[in-house]
Amino acid sequence: DQQVKQNSPSLSVQEGRISILNCDYTNSMFDYFLWYKKYPAEGPTFLISISSIKDKNEDGRFTVFLNKSAKHLSLHIVPSQPGDSAVYFCAANTNAGKSTFGDGTTLTVKP
Amino acid sequence: DTEVTQTPKHLVMGMTNKKSLKCEQHMGHRAMYWYKQKAKKPPELMFVYSYEKLSINESVPSRFSPECPNSSLLNLHLHALQPEDSALYLCASSQVGGTGYQPQHFGDGTRLSIL
Repeated sequence: DQQVKQNSPSLSVQEGRISILNCDYTNSMFDYFLWYKKYPAEGPTFLISISSIKDKNEDGRFTVFLNKSAKHLSLHIVPSQPGDSAVYFCAANTNAGKSTFGDGTTLTVKP
Repeated sequence: DTEVTQTPKHLVMGMTNKKSLKCEQHMGHRAMYWYKQKAKKPPELMFVYSYEKLSINESVPSRFSPECPNSSLLNLHLHALQPEDSALYLCASSQVGGTGYQPQHFGDGTRLSIL
């Protein structure tokens, strides 16, 4: 039973446009959500997070939205840049510090 | 440059060998993690150390033996591994152990191949 799902394995957008990456979860005990970005041959790098008591968190070009009733979160990147091309993992945490990751979405931003 | 250093970057070993993976961080983090990642799959948590004590073991087979000698170092001792154990092994650390509110800093991983 996969508790964190990223249903789109890949996404391709044009430079300058918005990228929207989605993530769904099933466990109501998750109370903190994070997005990580991963380049080939490197470990994941933390990008942005959101607590379950919020519905939006913004950091520069990156915004994460949380819909707790739908158990859905999304990452918006605007404007998208070619350097944003990477695999993006959604992760959900319990307050015990255990992270559960989604399968990842490969984002390709075309110049 | 990653702030979490893992060595070696690549390791090939036979099923009867004994080897160790090493992880080091100097960020003062008191929680350290081992993950296993297979191709096209997400990282799967194996172990969590909090304040140098093992706090989570995700029912990992005993052929994997973690060790945290001090707050900066994390080892994973390997013995009698199986071919299906071939994967990328990621180490991570975070600022405060035992809470869900700190992002993890990952190393670049050790790619392990079992012959």
